[in-house]
Amino acid sequence: DAKTTQPNSMESNEEEPVHLPCNHSTISGTDYIHWYRQLPSQGPEYVIHGLTSNVNNRMASLAIAEDRKSSTLILHRATLRDAAVYYCILRDVGMNYGGSQGNLIFGKGTKLSVKP
Amino acid sequence: ETGVTQSPTHLIKTRGQQVTLRCSSQSGHNTVSWYQQALGQGPQFIFQYYREEENGRGNFPPRFSGLQFPNYSSELNVNALELDDSALYLCASSRNREGVNTEAFFGQGTRLTVV
Repeated sequence: DAKTTQPNSMESNEEEPVHLPCNHSTISGTDYIHWYRQLPSQGPEYVIHGLTSNVNNRMASLAIAEDRKSSTLILHRATLRDAAVYYCILRDVGMNYGGSQGNLIFGKGTKLSVKP
Repeated sequence: ETGVTQSPTHLIKTRGQQVTLRCSSQSGHNTVSWYQQALGQGPQFIFQYYREEENGRGNFPPRFSGLQFPNYSSELNVNALELDDSALYLCASSRNREGVNTEAFFGQGTRLTVV
């Protein structure tokens, strides 16, 4: 799997937008960009994923650069509950082990702190 | 729709012992993956089970083994425990559809301490 690079930590103020960057310069054409987050004392939680176009869901938006070498997870209004470690992961849709997609390869992620 | 549940939540074992951790996958999910998360690190993939067979493995020794049952629940077994096995063990379930997995849903994890 291709590697991603994220800042170790970021800070935000409550109710302000947060832009979490991710670089993936070696991304391949079949890699999806996935974001998961892990709140303190919990397992990781799926946030969003995309391939080429920008994506929106109830949790966040994902902006993907035209060359796909970087992406940004956007939280439109940060809340205290959004304080977590955010992981950007590339997942090859073509990785089939006996018919099943490959695993998630986590880096260290970005630790987001939200100030009231 | 029930989520992913893991048991026990905490466990203390002695070096050299064996341990079994359990995971019930989310309703409708047929694929289970296990991850080990050391303190301050991201989760590391151990292995994945699909249709009751191991279907991908990370860089873990054979003393890490698993099972998947017909109801898609799963066990992780670790033999000859070492101090470095102390970690949070996470189970994730997903649904394999035409060779592609949907997003993974994680349990809360089992905190294993080896003394």
